[in-house]
Amino acid sequence: GAVVSQHPSWVICKSGTSVKIECRSLDFQATTMFWYRQFPKQSLMLMATSNEGSKATYEQGVEKDKFLINHASLTLSTLTVTSAHPEDSSFYICSARESASGSLYYSGANVLTFGAGSRLTVL
Amino acid sequence: AQSVTQPDIHITVSEGASLELRCNYSYGATPYLFWYVQSPGQGLQLLLKYFSGDTLVQGIKGFEAEFKRSQSSFNLRKPSVHWSDAAEYFCAVASVLWSSASKIIFGSGTRLSIRP
Repeated sequence: GAVVSQHPSWVICKSGTSVKIECRSLDFQATTMFWYRQFPKQSLMLMATSNEGSKATYEQGVEKDKFLINHASLTLSTLTVTSAHPEDSSFYICSARESASGSLYYSGANVLTFGAGSRLTVL
Repeated sequence: AQSVTQPDIHITVSEGASLELRCNYSYGATPYLFWYVQSPGQGLQLLLKYFSGDTLVQGIKGFEAEFKRSQSSFNLRKPSVHWSDAAEYFCAVASVLWSSASKIIFGSGTRLSIRP
């Protein structure tokens, strides 16, 4: 089945540094990837939609200069947290939707495949 | 805009007992509905989804959900829970699927604990 890999799974960094998180679709091509943020014991909040070869679409309230998203290929999207601060500490999860042609855009068992998440701790 | 409400923050049931997790959605047209499960520190796994057709949907791990348009609900059920079912459960909705612009919105989640 479809697999999405996130790396790193856990990262600790100093305040003011930048951190890059990778999201890879291992066995399928993903035109669209989504980045979510999850605070402890809370739901997933959609941050942005990443489309291959174009600029990401950010949700209201998400700082695009703070959270840089790049989707340079059909199998890789990256989220860079720039000048990280302790309040950026969170669990970041990506998901990927397999590219499809024709009218049946969604087929198969999975609509979206989620990565295992990346926990960011900013000291 | 679509939204999802999961009224129960935390539920505890005994192992072997039946389970029902509530989910209510708000959307003008027919929504596309999902249930996901998340184990601690992990990503999300799709349990089941409803697009159209039969309103009773069967999923993995013995779960099922019923779409009730009149009640705007999509409750998740399992006849007999196992200790391994302890996790966080998220109901989610998407308004449009046949578009690259579509996105999935999640409810606040229900944490399920299993009593031995």
